[in-house]
Amino acid sequence: EAQVTQNPRYLITVTGKKLTVTCSQNMNHEYMSWYRQDPGLGLRQIYYSMNVEVTDKGDVPEGYKVSRKEKRNFPLILESPSPNQTSLYFCASSPRTSGRRYNEQFFGPGTRLTVL
Amino acid sequence: GQQLNQSPQSMFIQEGEDVSMNCTSSSIFNTWLWYKQDPGEGPVLLIALYKAGELTSNGRLTAQFGITRKDSFLNISASIPSDVGIYFCAGRQNTNAGKSTFGDGTTLTVKP
Repeated sequence: EAQVTQNPRYLITVTGKKLTVTCSQNMNHEYMSWYRQDPGLGLRQIYYSMNVEVTDKGDVPEGYKVSRKEKRNFPLILESPSPNQTSLYFCASSPRTSGRRYNEQFFGPGTRLTVL
Repeated sequence: GQQLNQSPQSMFIQEGEDVSMNCTSSSIFNTWLWYKQDPGEGPVLLIALYKAGELTSNGRLTAQFGITRKDSFLNISASIPSDVGIYFCAGRQNTNAGKSTFGDGTTLTVKP
């Protein structure tokens, strides 16, 4: 089944304890992206990747790192989580980095992170 | 960063009613997108618009790309209970292809 998977789905952690949220897609998509969703603020883009080894900042990159060593995986790393990073996180991918199919973003199921 | 102003924030309607929501920006976008998010899930693309003035339908949903390229509208006709969810608009610009800007969402509740 074609899908974007995220792990873990739920995570409660403490301030300063490094964590990684994994994202994997099995559709051979070129483009991948991370968003956070907060009440009343919609979805805000954290980082995106146009291809392997190519990443760039979105609107809210502070406090996050990403890597794209392989096409299928795009992990989100919080080196020193803080309570203001408590949020619902979504990973997304799309087939191309240009043209109309570029806009067909497929979203993962979300990871709910709580930082105490 | 850029902002998309989406309205209304929430709607409570009766089954069978039509729904309209819109999204405006101070910036021009080359692509407008509408997504729906069901409770506990990620957003799903409903409609993509690529040209100013374009009107596109997907079943009971119709979306329009504003002439000024700074706004977009989504209409749902004859609403049904499964239309419940959060609807997001999103915009993309050719000058920064990797970035997506989302509106704050419209939460739709449909009373049977």
